[in-house]
Amino acid sequence: SQKIEQNSEALNIQEGKTATLTCNYTNYSPAYLQWYRQDPGRGPVFLLLIRENEKEKRKERLKVTFDTTLKQSLFHITASQPADSATYLCALAGPSGTYKYIFGTGTRLKVLA
Amino acid sequence: NAGVTQTPKFQVLKTGQSMTLQCAQDMNHEYMSWYRQDPGMGLRLIHYSVGAGITDQGEVPNGYNVSRSTTEDFPLRLLSAAPSQTSVYFCASSYEGEKLFFGSGTQLSVL
Repeated sequence: SQKIEQNSEALNIQEGKTATLTCNYTNYSPAYLQWYRQDPGRGPVFLLLIRENEKEKRKERLKVTFDTTLKQSLFHITASQPADSATYLCALAGPSGTYKYIFGTGTRLKVLA
Repeated sequence: NAGVTQTPKFQVLKTGQSMTLQCAQDMNHEYMSWYRQDPGMGLRLIHYSVGAGITDQGEVPNGYNVSRSTTEDFPLRLLSAAPSQTSVYFCASSYEGEKLFFGSGTQLSVL
């Protein structure tokens, strides 16, 4: 069956450093992958989408890479700030239809001032 | 422009009761979906719709019904609530299935 793995342990980093979060998947090749941010008690908010034919995508301080050979996406936040503290989710379009998303469990990031 | 609106925000039910979670969007999105989020499980797709009159099952559809009579609304019905349905429920919509816009969630407890 399809599986997405994100580091379930919290990631603590110092303000100003680059945070790197990992999303690994198995058993199929998604057409695209997305990253979302979720704050406590709120719904996820879309951040970035990267397609299978794209290696890297950037948006302001955010960067996403997509390695279809390794079946892995890396999500980077450069010059991190305490306001970046949240849970970050990766999501893949499912193998049985691009509308059937599969979400990872998320990685909680805490940026220390 | 309100985005995706979910009601209620909190609900407590007794086992066997039925209820409807409401979801409305004002962005003219064709795609709408329902997820449940449980600790350690991530978001799991319950049902989704790609347009009025069209619905399909997701990963965990049992115990839930949906219908889509208008583009704007996509209610989720619990037919006979069970404690296993205690969860946080999110509705999401998008233009073409990408870039999901989520509501603020409904926290449901079934006693």
